[in-house]
Amino acid sequence: DAGVIQSPRHEVTEMGQEVTLRCKPISGHNSLFWYRQTMMRGLELLIYFNNNVPIDDSGMPEDRFSAKMPNASFSTLKIQPSEPRDSAVYFCASSLWGEESPLHFGNGTRLTVT
Amino acid sequence: SQQGEEDPQALSIQEGENATMNCSYKTSINNLQWYRQNSGRGLVHLILIRSNEREKHSGRLRVTLDTSKKSSSLLITASRAADTASYFCAAYGNNRLAFGKGNQVVVIP
Repeated sequence: DAGVIQSPRHEVTEMGQEVTLRCKPISGHNSLFWYRQTMMRGLELLIYFNNNVPIDDSGMPEDRFSAKMPNASFSTLKIQPSEPRDSAVYFCASSLWGEESPLHFGNGTRLTVT
Repeated sequence: SQQGEEDPQALSIQEGENATMNCSYKTSINNLQWYRQNSGRGLVHLILIRSNEREKHSGRLRVTLDTSKKSSSLLITASRAADTASYFCAAYGNNRLAFGKGNQVVVIP
């Protein structure tokens, strides 16, 4: 079991550029989550998919953020255009079924927007 | 909305000592989960305790849950330097999982 795989591990970009973060969940897990972690706000849920369908995207900050899950083994989080306040560590997590079962986190993507 | 919240926020102990962290939440829950996060890594699930359970053990970890006080505690016995990490509780209820802000534990060799 390779665990949840995220790429890239680090991303440095200039304000206004498009950023795409990628995630491969654990095979057999039905749910996928995107979280953002900062010192100020802690861990925030951005969006949650169940069987590839977005269930709750109320945490997505604004229209600049979008997420897709075209199949059970791949998801992307896109920020366009990026802003310095988007700088954070973005985590992808998967679980067997929803938030009730334990979440398995990837090692995150550290995004820096200058 | 409910919120997992850990107390104390930071703890520094000597290797071999026990470390205890508390977590409070605001509304009814189905379960409460504890996670560990090492520096630069993702969160790792440690233990899940259901609302009808009062105590659960896993290796050197002991978790208690008091639903009447809406609180949980995580005890790490015989701590090791490798236990240095941030520890998060997450309360699941009303179809939502709410993470606390984390509790930094430093174990001094």
